[in-house]
Amino acid sequence: DGGITQSPKYLFRKEGQNVTLSCEQNLNHDAMYWYRQDPGQGLRLIYYSQIVNDFQKGDIAEGYSVSREKKESFPLTVTSAQKNPTAFYLCASSITSGDYNEQFFGPGTRLTVL
Amino acid sequence: QKEVEQNSGPLSVPEGAIASLNCTYSDRGSQSFFWYRQYSGKSPELIMSIYSNGDKEDGRFTAQLNKASQYVSLLIRDSQPSDSATYLCAVKVGRDGGTSYGKLTFGQGTILTVHP
Repeated sequence: DGGITQSPKYLFRKEGQNVTLSCEQNLNHDAMYWYRQDPGQGLRLIYYSQIVNDFQKGDIAEGYSVSREKKESFPLTVTSAQKNPTAFYLCASSITSGDYNEQFFGPGTRLTVL
Repeated sequence: QKEVEQNSGPLSVPEGAIASLNCTYSDRGSQSFFWYRQYSGKSPELIMSIYSNGDKEDGRFTAQLNKASQYVSLLIRDSQPSDSATYLCAVKVGRDGGTSYGKLTFGQGTILTVHP
């Protein structure tokens, strides 16, 4: 079954803690993305990666970090420097060849700061 | 001006009617356009993509693109209660920094309710 998995589904963080969100895909996609969604708003890009061992900041990268050591995996760490981390986090992936790369999303992780 | 703007909702239509969702974008270099459907508490699901001016039909869904007017729309014919969701418009500028893919910019979404 091809797809994108994210874990955990729900995550609770205490103030000052770093937490890592997992994203795995078996679609053989080269590109992977992390978005954040706040209530009633669209998605905002945090980080993206086109290839293993390379990634770029998106529009709201401050307080977040990523790694891309394997093609299938793109974990996101929400650090204590992120002042308002409560949100719905979405991972996506796409091919990179051609201009018509549709992005497909995982089920998401809902992060709440206690 | 927002980069991608959708018509403010919520939009309510009766079952069987046509629902019309609109989206405008500011970057004339935009080349690819997508409509996602997002049910409450779930992740976005791609339902339509369009790249050329004109209409593209897929079942009850029709996407319309007018690059001169910087406008893309989604029509849902014979609306069903199961179509009730938030619809997100996403726009991609063709090539980003020489790479062969571009970042998506999303609108804020339009909530559609189809009532029986």
